[in-house]
Amino acid sequence: QVQLVESGGGVVQPGGSLRLSCAASGFTFSSYGMHWVRQAPGKGLEWVAFIRYDGSNKYYADSVKGRFTISRDNSKNTLYLQMNSLRAEDTAVYYCAKDLYCALGDWGQGTLVTVSS
Amino acid sequence: EIVMTQSPATLSVSPGERATLSCRASQSVSSNLAWYQQKPGQAPRLLIYGASTRATGIPARFSGSGSGTEFTLTISSLQSEDFAVYYCQQYNNWPQTFGQGTKLEIK
Repeated sequence: QVQLVESGGGVVQPGGSLRLSCAASGFTFSSYGMHWVRQAPGKGLEWVAFIRYDGSNKYYADSVKGRFTISRDNSKNTLYLQMNSLRAEDTAVYYCAKDLYCALGDWGQGTLVTVSS
Repeated sequence: EIVMTQSPATLSVSPGERATLSCRASQSVSSNLAWYQQKPGQAPRLLIYGASTRATGIPARFSGSGSGTEFTLTISSLQSEDFAVYYCQQYNNWPQTFGQGTKLEIK
């Protein structure tokens, strides 16, 4: 069965950086696009970024463009989100999700990122 | 970006009754629309994609309809486990965008 496990969350100061990872198993990772989605405490869902199965195309939400970078290592079955210049409004649970015809078919349990001084 | 608007914000329905949730897009998204269910403390779960195709393992009481800018999620006979928050999402254009959610609560 599909398993997605996020890690790398924690507390970081404003202006700092953090790299999230998503370890995938139970499917052929190199054949699927992958997404990052976030949810601020008590708020709704916000799509963050997408990367094609081969890394050839990447798309970002306007709110993170130029600060966040999505990447993947198909040899390690791992998805990444490099987050730089973090702001208080980036505080959220970050989920990785497996693409299903551009919808989000399977989700991890999320990792919490808190941006605070 | 495309703005997705869900209504109502909160819907109170009795178990066994039908629930109808609405989602409107600020411009056409064709049939590139998904619905998700989220329970407290859990990750969201895909219910419907392509506006009307149920995801694997989703019960038949969940159905989606619509195209263009107007979409509906119908739950035909509410079970206790269906009380949750529901989100619509368009994936016709980048960036993908979600609605603000509808909370389905027990009446």
